[in-house]
Amino acid sequence: QSALTQPASVSGSPGQSITISCTGTTSDVGGYNYVSWYQQHPGKAPKLLIYAVSNRPSGVSNRFSGSKSGNTASLTISGLQAEDEADYYCSSYTSISTLVFGGGTNLTVL
Amino acid sequence: QVQLQESGPGLVKPSETLSLTCTVSGGSVSSGTYYWSWIRQSPEKGLDWIGYIYYSGSTNYNPSLKSRVTISVDTSKNQFSLKLSSVTAADTAVYYCATTNTAAFDIWGQGTMVTVSS
Repeated sequence: QSALTQPASVSGSPGQSITISCTGTTSDVGGYNYVSWYQQHPGKAPKLLIYAVSNRPSGVSNRFSGSKSGNTASLTISGLQAEDEADYYCSSYTSISTLVFGGGTNLTVL
Repeated sequence: QVQLQESGPGLVKPSETLSLTCTVSGGSVSSGTYYWSWIRQSPEKGLDWIGYIYYSGSTNYNPSLKSRVTISVDTSKNQFSLKLSSVTAADTAVYYCATTNTAAFDIWGQGTMVTVSS
């Protein structure tokens, strides 16, 4: 199984909105509504932000939102804050009942 | 609230078997609520899903690692374990255990660094 495709880096200024894409195939992202997103700060374990494409776990800020169109899922962060600077990963269920991650995106808050 | 803690050797020799355990507290591996996953992250690299197990013993593994991986569950100790055989330097990574629900990893351990070196 191939890793999902994410941009290596994105950046934005405080208060702005940014979107991170996650592109797969019909065998993963496009075939199932089981895309999740994670935030990872340096030296820390990843934290779940979004599950099942667009659902936020309890305690996650509503500044984080997810969506999907075809084989591409997206994570949008609105009202960008300095603390949002981190690495972001997507993940998807696949047609062979496995899970696969994206390569990760480094977000810089300017 | 479920909490996870990885444990095991931090140094493994090439060609040997890496063995890690994840101890579950605040919940039961037998509950059926979660699948239990192992994930790794090589230095300065991204996340790599290794595999998961259900309390019944049903497993699924990353195809790229399948020939070397075994994940098992010990309900009496409330633990699940990872064995990765024939390791090389490429297996050097931080290894995480995580709960898996609705195909998402919702609770993570803190991670444990494993170095493969002679």
